Amino acid sequence: GNSVTQMEGPVTLSEEAFLTINCTYTATGYPSLFWYVQYPGEGLQLLLKATKADDKGSNKGFEATYRKETTSFHLEKGSVQVSDSAVYFCALSEPGRGQGGKLIFGQGTELSVKP
Amino acid sequence: NAGVTQTPKFQVLKTGQSMTLQCAQDMNHNSMYWYRQDPGMGLRLIYYSASEGTTDKGEVPNGYNVSRLNKREFSLRLESAAPSQTSVYFCASSAPYTQYFGPGTRLTVL
Repeated sequence: GNSVTQMEGPVTLSEEAFLTINCTYTATGYPSLFWYVQYPGEGLQLLLKATKADDKGSNKGFEATYRKETTSFHLEKGSVQVSDSAVYFCALSEPGRGQGGKLIFGQGTELSVKP
Repeated sequence: NAGVTQTPKFQVLKTGQSMTLQCAQDMNHNSMYWYRQDPGMGLRLIYYSASEGTTDKGEVPNGYNVSRLNKREFSLRLESAAPSQTSVYFCASSAPYTQYFGPGTRLTVL
């Protein structure tokens, strides 16, 4: 079945460090891929998305590229801030159901950024 | 425009008690979802509703029931709560390529 695997956390970085959170997926067909962020005590918010191979999603300095050949969608940011401390979830929507379909989530990666 | 709202925010139940979690959205979305979030397991889909009048099981439906009352509202019911249902519950509704989440309900079953 379809699944998402993320690198385990917690990840602790100093402010202005480079961030990579790895995400790989297993899916039949071509799913849409997402990164969601959850700040403490809140629900999830969409951070960025990519709907087809080689697409790059970007938002708030974060980027991720849909790599079909490696079935990956790694999240990167060049210079993290304390305010980026949150839990990050990689997710896919079942192929053919990107428009409002069910999401399958990875287990989440907690990021803590120290001043 | 409140987005997705959930009530209550917190709840403590004893084993065997019942309760209903309420969810409403004001974005005119057709699809709505209930997830549970447990440490180290991400979010798992309990039930979803693709449109008003339809509901389907997700990955972990046992012990839960749902009602899609109208286009705005989608409730989740625990008929006989168990400690294994201690979790944070999120409701979501979806537009094309985006799901919008409520703030969550933190449920503890003693």
